Amino acid sequence: SQKIEQNSEALNIQEGKTATLTCNYTNYSPAYLQWYRQDPGRGPVFLLLIRENEKEKRKERLKVTFDTTLKQSLFHITASQPADSATYLCALLDPSARQLTFGSGTQLTVLP
Amino acid sequence: KAGVTQTPRYLIKTRGQQVTLSCSPISGHRSVSWYQQTPGQGLQFLFEYFSETQRNKGNFPGRFSGRQFSNSRSEMNVSTLELGDSALYLCASSGGTKETQYFGPGTRLLVL
Repeated sequence: SQKIEQNSEALNIQEGKTATLTCNYTNYSPAYLQWYRQDPGRGPVFLLLIRENEKEKRKERLKVTFDTTLKQSLFHITASQPADSATYLCALLDPSARQLTFGSGTQLTVLP
Repeated sequence: KAGVTQTPRYLIKTRGQQVTLSCSPISGHRSVSWYQQTPGQGLQFLFEYFSETQRNKGNFPGRFSGRQFSNSRSEMNVSTLELGDSALYLCASSGGTKETQYFGPGTRLLVL
C-alpha cells in the first residue's frame, strides 16, 4: 500500500516568509495529489489538486509542485501570514484500493 | 450550497456501548466517505458509500459499520465501544470521482 511522509510534524516561520512543506510517497505514482488545510477541531478543507502530468499549480499565494521522479510534492505559501497557521495534509488516491490516503500532516505556525 | 453536516458534534460514551453518527452530504453528492482521526494514527479511511452501496472499506474491525440512505445521508455505527475508539470522526462527500472531498466538521467521540 501507499506510504506518505510529510516533513516534520511542526514548522515555524516568520510572517512574510515563504513556507515550504514536503510530501513524499513510496510505491506507485498516483494519478493526482491533493493538499488540504485543517484547523483545530474542524474538518480538512481542500486547497489544491495537481495531476501527474502537471509540474506546478498555483492559486493565489499557494503553489504546489509534483515531481513523479522524486515521488515528491512541495507545497509553498508565499508572503505567509499568521492566519495561515494550521495543519496541512497531503493526500493521494490509491487506485487499487479506490481510496484517498492522507499523510500525517505538518503543523505550520506563522509567527508575527 | 450548504456544506456537509454531521451530528452530533460531541459525544461521550462508556466502554461497551454503541454509537451512531450521522452525516448529510452536500446536495447532489452521492459519495460519502468516513474517516477516523486520532493524534497517533492521523486520518484513516473507514469506508465509502455510493448510491446506498458500500463501495470501499478500510482496515477496521467489523464493529465499525455504516449505511447510506436513498437521499445520500449516511450513518456510521460503532458497537461495543473501546477506549481506543475515542477520536474525531469525519465524513466527506464528493461528486463521485474523489477528486475533491468536502469534509464536515466532525463528531468528537470520547469513550470512558
